[in-house]
Amino acid sequence: DAGVTQSPTHLIKTRGQHVTLRCSPISGHKSVSWYQQVLGQGPQFIFQYYEKEERGRGNFPDRFSARQFPNYSSELNVNALLLGDSALYLCASSLAVEVGEAFFGQGTRLTVV
Amino acid sequence: KNEVEQSPQNLTAQEGEFITINCSYSVGISALHWLQQHPGGGIVSLFMLSSGKKKHGRLIATINIQEKHSSLHITASHPRDSAVYICALRGYGNKLVFGAGTILRVKS
Repeated sequence: DAGVTQSPTHLIKTRGQHVTLRCSPISGHKSVSWYQQVLGQGPQFIFQYYEKEERGRGNFPDRFSARQFPNYSSELNVNALLLGDSALYLCASSLAVEVGEAFFGQGTRLTVV
Repeated sequence: KNEVEQSPQNLTAQEGEFITINCSYSVGISALHWLQQHPGGGIVSLFMLSSGKKKHGRLIATINIQEKHSSLHITASHPRDSAVYICALRGYGNKLVFGAGTILRVKS
């Protein structure tokens, strides 16, 4: 049974470009959360989606957006990339909004140059 | 003040040693997670606790809700335990709030 899968695994973009990161949750999981982990720090919450609706948003600018599809996969979009957006972007899936255990993907390492 | 503080930030141990990593927090929580992150980024969930103690193999996690404190213990540590260990809080919303992590290196 596949775990949480994220694509791509690595990505290099130039300042000002936009990027789309993708996440497929574990089969049967309806909630997807996105986290940003800057080098040397713990992950920071960006978004949570459940049943295709945004259920939580962290303290990130409007350049960050996301959506969830009917098959519960999710995309994270970042516009007008800045050097400071360079980070590991993690996706976590869980069964429902409140249910506890979260399963993480391997992450997408984004480098903005 | 951060909602979650981990200590130590860095830990080097000899193979076989008993290791303790601590997590203190300042907010109400519904659960606390201990996570393991290897180089390259992948995160594995080790434990989710809301009370008491859990054990899995050589790993033991405890939580004291009144004192807002949790510990992760590794018995008979091994070089393959080398990783970053992260404490994460689940509040009464849904997001996880992560600690900065403890970098553990176990030398043979």
